[in-house]
Amino acid sequence: GENVEQHPSTLSVQEGDSAVIKCTYSDSASNYFPWYKQELGKRPQLIIDIRSNVGEKKDQRIAVTLNKTAKHFSLHITETQPEDSAVYFCAASIPVGGSSGGGADGLTFGKGTHLIIQP
Amino acid sequence: DTGVSQNPRHKITKRGQNVTFRCDPISEHNRLYWYRQTLGQGPEFLTYFQNEAQLEKSRLLSDRFSAERPKGSFSTLEIQRTEQGDSAMYLCASSLWDADTQYFGPGTRLTVL
Repeated sequence: GENVEQHPSTLSVQEGDSAVIKCTYSDSASNYFPWYKQELGKRPQLIIDIRSNVGEKKDQRIAVTLNKTAKHFSLHITETQPEDSAVYFCAASIPVGGSSGGGADGLTFGKGTHLIIQP
Repeated sequence: DTGVSQNPRHKITKRGQNVTFRCDPISEHNRLYWYRQTLGQGPEFLTYFQNEAQLEKSRLLSDRFSAERPKGSFSTLEIQRTEQGDSAMYLCASSLWDADTQYFGPGTRLTVL
């Protein structure tokens, strides 16, 4: 089955600096890679996702890059703010039935990165 | 609130008791997923449904666990003869049948004494 490795487990950056979190996956059939943010005691919330037909996606201060050949993807947060402090999880999934159509199997998550924004 | 909802939010039980959790997905979502999350870890996939059909089960889902979605709307997850190792947050998520994005509920935190 799929295995997702995530690094680092803890990341402390100064407010205003950039943060980068990296993940690798094992199953080349995976084609959907979401990133979730989870604040203490709250539900995971999707912040950005990327599909395997795209190499990079950006949404304001957040970007995700994907290298299919190397089977790794990264989350980049620029101009970090105190409210960015949370645990971030990467995940991967293969399409339902192995097809390239819509819909995903269960997500395989990384172990999470605790991002701390120092004021 | 039109998001995914879960009940109860917290459950404390004694070892050996049975517990049942409920998940109500976003109304138009056909797919419903169950995950388990322990402290300091990412969610782990347990099972998922497309409408009322259970399409995949993780090997994490022992025979003490059973999930149902009888009418293709809400789902229940039952754990029989609970063990202390079952203590975790049980998360539910839903998605459209032809979309990848999964939206999570607030979870049910289970504590087995």
